Amino acid sequence: EAQVTQNPRYLITVTGKKLTVTCSQNMNHEYMSWYRQDPGLGLRQIYYSMNVEVTDKGDVPEGYKVSRKEKRNFPLILESPSPNQTSLYFCASGLDRGKTQYFGPGTRLLVL
Amino acid sequence: AQKVTQAQTEISVVEKEDVTLDCVYETRDTTYYLFWYKQPPSGELVFLIRRNSFDEQNEISGRYSWNFQKSTSSFNFTITASQVVDSAVYFCALSEAARSNDYKLSFGAGTTVTVRA
Repeated sequence: EAQVTQNPRYLITVTGKKLTVTCSQNMNHEYMSWYRQDPGLGLRQIYYSMNVEVTDKGDVPEGYKVSRKEKRNFPLILESPSPNQTSLYFCASGLDRGKTQYFGPGTRLLVL
Repeated sequence: AQKVTQAQTEISVVEKEDVTLDCVYETRDTTYYLFWYKQPPSGELVFLIRRNSFDEQNEISGRYSWNFQKSTSSFNFTITASQVVDSAVYFCALSEAARSNDYKLSFGAGTTVTVRA
């Protein structure tokens, strides 16, 4: 089944404790990205990657890191999480044709 | 400036009624893509439909249909004969081909649809 997977789906952590949210897609998509969704602010792009070893900042990259060592994986790293990073995070991947992005199931993060 | 505007915050209907969701977009690009996504209460984002700027043909897919009008920069979405399972937040989104990050989606604020049995 073609899909984007994210792990963990739910995470509660404390300020300053490094964490990684994994994202993997099995559709051989070149493009992958991360969004966060917050009440009143909507969905905003954090980082994106056009291909392996090619990453760039989205609209809200502060406090996040990403890497793209393999085509299928695009982890999101929070080196020192803070409470303002409490959010619902989505990973997405896309094909060139039509630019459609398919989203993972989301990761709910709570930083205490 | 808001690129995608969904003026309807919430819509409540009774099952089997039709629901039309409004979306107005803003772009200077001549090539762009418009999307509708659905976010059910479980939280995932589900791709529904996509329309290219150079194709104004309106289509029907099952109970979904859309009305794309470049002249008014609108991309409205209709659910025919709504069902309780259609209850969700619906997002309209835009990506602009001329941008370096041409996959980036600019989302509207979403419209919450509640279908009552």
